[in-house]
Amino acid sequence: KAGVTQTPRYLIKTRGQQVTLSCSPISGHRSVSWYQQTPGQGLQFLFEYFSETQRNKGNFPGRFSGRQFSNSRSEMNVSTLELGDSALYLCASSLGSLGGETQYFGPGTRLLVL
Amino acid sequence: AQSVSQHNHHVILSEAASLELGCNYSYGGTVNLFWYVQYPGQHLQLLLKYFSGDPLVKGIKGFEAEFIKSKFSFNLRKPSVQWSDTAEYFCAGDNDMRFGAGTRLTVKP
Repeated sequence: KAGVTQTPRYLIKTRGQQVTLSCSPISGHRSVSWYQQTPGQGLQFLFEYFSETQRNKGNFPGRFSGRQFSNSRSEMNVSTLELGDSALYLCASSLGSLGGETQYFGPGTRLLVL
Repeated sequence: AQSVSQHNHHVILSEAASLELGCNYSYGGTVNLFWYVQYPGQHLQLLLKYFSGDPLVKGIKGFEAEFIKSKFSFNLRKPSVQWSDTAEYFCAGDNDMRFGAGTRLTVKP
């Protein structure tokens, strides 16, 4: 099976812009989670979608949003970008919703905000 | 607040040395705990997980971890490390998918 794929792999934006990142889960996986990874804060959970519904949410401002489509593909949107949003954004998929499920991570999208 | 903490930020060992990386969690209720590893240039991948049953969990590549409820710990162990174990290791708990800060392991040949 193909692994989790994320597009684009690299992105440069300026402050105030918005960005949309895409994640395609492993075939058959219905849960997609998003994480932000930075050197200072480490890996932080953004949110999880399962069957097109947001199931869990981390402690991020409302500028960070997501959605999941009927084919389980997911998008994450960040509006009004700030310099501190520069990070590696990881997507992970799992068969079921979080709760003992193994997550399979993608390569990430590296976002640089200038 | 619920959290997962890792004690060691950077560990340097020689090959064949034994490894123990600490992980503590601070929440109750159902506990699902994981160790993930990120080898240089590769994706995060699961080493092992605990969600019930035998508190001693065995994972890939000879790693194991023991869930000690009384100590709120889930330490990762390996009796003899290899150069190829050089990587970053993350402990995580999925009540709200909190990851520890990670421990960078460097194994000297």
